[in-house]
Amino acid sequence: NAGVTQTPKFQVLKTGQSMTLQCAQDMNHEYMSWYRQDPGMGLRLIHYSVGAGITDQGEVPNGYNVSRSTTEDFPLRLLSAAPSQTSVYFCASRLTGGASGNTIYFGEGSWLTVV
Amino acid sequence: RKEVEQDPGPFNVPEGATVAFNCTYSNSASQSFFWYRQDCRKEPKLLMSVYSSGNEDGRFTAQLNRASQYISLLIRDSKLSDSATYLCVVNTYTGGFKTIFGAGTRLFVKA
Repeated sequence: NAGVTQTPKFQVLKTGQSMTLQCAQDMNHEYMSWYRQDPGMGLRLIHYSVGAGITDQGEVPNGYNVSRSTTEDFPLRLLSAAPSQTSVYFCASRLTGGASGNTIYFGEGSWLTVV
Repeated sequence: RKEVEQDPGPFNVPEGATVAFNCTYSNSASQSFFWYRQDCRKEPKLLMSVYSSGNEDGRFTAQLNRASQYISLLIRDSKLSDSATYLCVVNTYTGGFKTIFGAGTRLFVKA
């Protein structure tokens, strides 16, 4: 069981470049999300999706786009990379977005450096 | 004030010690609570849920104090393998669903 798979694991970008972080889950989870993790701060929600065709902004959406064409896939696009987007990115999924306490499953993380 | 606050540590303890972490949350409407564990350069993974009545899983005990709005994690008989960052996670529903992660408490267990 692969769980949540995200790629690439490491990436260096130049300022202004664009790229897509890929995320796929094989657990048939409705709810998928992208977080960034910076030193001294908790995981911050970038974008989330409650099902195919539905996406919404999280706490820090600026500079990022997402789409959810299938239940399995939830790519994150950096439109024009900036040094402030240097961070560790985690894709996550859970059964539903409710407060019922479904376990959140994370991908292994993507370490992004923007120079 | 952050919605979920944790002492960042680090907590440095010897093997066999008992160590406790607290996490405070600001929204009294928060509904469910969890502790996640994150190893260095790895993804967070669920350690345990926190129930109002308190719950225990082996050497780990989690408790919730709604009146004072904090949750706690107690680790008994610490092992070297317990060295990690422990994240407090709070779910709140106030018109919209929201999951807030604390910044984490780092624990180092030394031989």
